[in-house]
Amino acid sequence: GENVEQHPSTLSVQEGDSAVIKCTYSDSASNYFPWYKQELGKRPQLIIDIRSNVGEKKDQRIAVTLNKTAKHFSLHITETQPEDSAVYFCAVRSNDYKLSFGAGTTVTVRA
Amino acid sequence: DAGITQSPRHKVTETGTPVTLRCHQTENHRYMYWYRQDPGHGLRLIHYSYGVKDTDKGEVSDGYSVSRSKTEDFLLTLESATSSQTSVYFCAISESGAGVSEQFFGPGTRLTVL
Repeated sequence: GENVEQHPSTLSVQEGDSAVIKCTYSDSASNYFPWYKQELGKRPQLIIDIRSNVGEKKDQRIAVTLNKTAKHFSLHITETQPEDSAVYFCAVRSNDYKLSFGAGTTVTVRA
Repeated sequence: DAGITQSPRHKVTETGTPVTLRCHQTENHRYMYWYRQDPGHGLRLIHYSYGVKDTDKGEVSDGYSVSRSKTEDFLLTLESATSSQTSVYFCAISESGAGVSEQFFGPGTRLTVL
C-alpha cells in the first residue's frame, strides 16, 4: 500500500499555542487526505479532509494544507485547548478505495 | 456515532485457538473494513468488503480471513490465533469507497492472545 510517514510522533504544546503535524506520502496519484482524531479509549473520528484539487481547507481552529508537488500535507491546530489532547492520524487514499494511515501523533496540551 | 457495533469488545484467548470478531452495522453502507491498531503502526488494513460476498485483502491479511454474507455483518476470523495478533481491532464502514464518502469506525475490540 501507500507509504505514509507522520511527524512528530509526540507533540506537547502550551494551551493557546499552535500545533502542526506533517505527513508525507509516496504515490503521486493519491487524491484524498483525511485527518482523524482518537481520544484515549475511543474510536478514530474524522476531523477534516482535503482533496487534491484544493491547497488549503479550514474549519474553525483546524486547517489542513496540501503540497502535491512535494507530496506532503499538514494539520494545523490554532489556539489549542485541553480537549485537543488526543492521538491524530493522517491518511491517504490509495487504489481500490482503501486508506493508508500514518503512525499517529500524540498531542498533549499543557494547561 | 454511526450505527456500528463490534462484538466482543474484549477477548482473551490462547495461542492456537480460532477466534471470530463480528462487526454489525445498521447504516446499510456498502463498504466495510477491518483494521488492527498497534503502537507505532497506526491503523493497518486487514481486509475489506465492497459488497455482499465481495472481499479483498489489505496490507496485513496473513493469518486472517473474512466473510460477508449479509450487508450488515462483516466477520473477521483468526483461524489459529498467535501472540502477534494481540491488538485492538476496529471495523469501519463507508457508504461509498474511502475518499468518496466518510469512513466511520466502530468502538473496537481488544484481543489478547496468550
